[in-house]
Amino acid sequence: AAGVIQSPRHLIKEKRETATLKCYPIPRHDTVYWYQQGPGQDPQFLISFYEKMQSDKGSIPDRFSAQQFSDYHSELNMSSLELGDSALYFCASSLGVRRGVGNQPQHFGDGTRLSIL
Amino acid sequence: AQRVTQPEKLLSVFKGAPVELKCNYSYSGSPELFWYVQYSRQRLQLLLRHISRESIKGFTADLNKGETSFHLKKPFAQEEDSAMYYCALSDKAAGNKLTFGGGTRVLVKP
Repeated sequence: AAGVIQSPRHLIKEKRETATLKCYPIPRHDTVYWYQQGPGQDPQFLISFYEKMQSDKGSIPDRFSAQQFSDYHSELNMSSLELGDSALYFCASSLGVRRGVGNQPQHFGDGTRLSIL
Repeated sequence: AQRVTQPEKLLSVFKGAPVELKCNYSYSGSPELFWYVQYSRQRLQLLLRHISRESIKGFTADLNKGETSFHLKKPFAQEEDSAMYYCALSDKAAGNKLTFGGGTRVLVKP
């Protein structure tokens, strides 16, 4: 079965550079979530989108922005990168909560490992 | 605000022994609880959700609203169960975002 696809798998950047992470959800999933997992830490929610609209926002820095496109894929744009941004960035997808069948389980991608030098 | 607590950072058991991973939560509404597993260098995978009331890979978890717990249990641990386990709570009021516990690393020794 098709899974959530994230690209790139690994990314190395220097401080103050920009980065774009991409996420392709499972087909027919209309909701995308982004999580950040620092070294030795649990995943922290950043932001989510439902039907191309932002549905919730977590601990996402102002230097980061994200959007969901008409084909439901999502991109996380990161600017003025800092050393502390080094982490594993997970994307997850699900069917939308508003479909009236309760919370849908989220399916995760392999993540993008971002390293800031 | 919702919060998930996994008090054990590491659980080390012998193959064939029972294993129980503790998870406690605080949430003002009606929570939905999940267990996710992360094998070495792999993605987070859904293991169980409380509304399914099913057993996956021999694991079970029961939601105890009185004790606000969702402990994960397996009667006979296998070496392939060695992984990182995360308990997570879904926030219905805010678009289904997951709040994770700190994770418990399970090491099953031969």
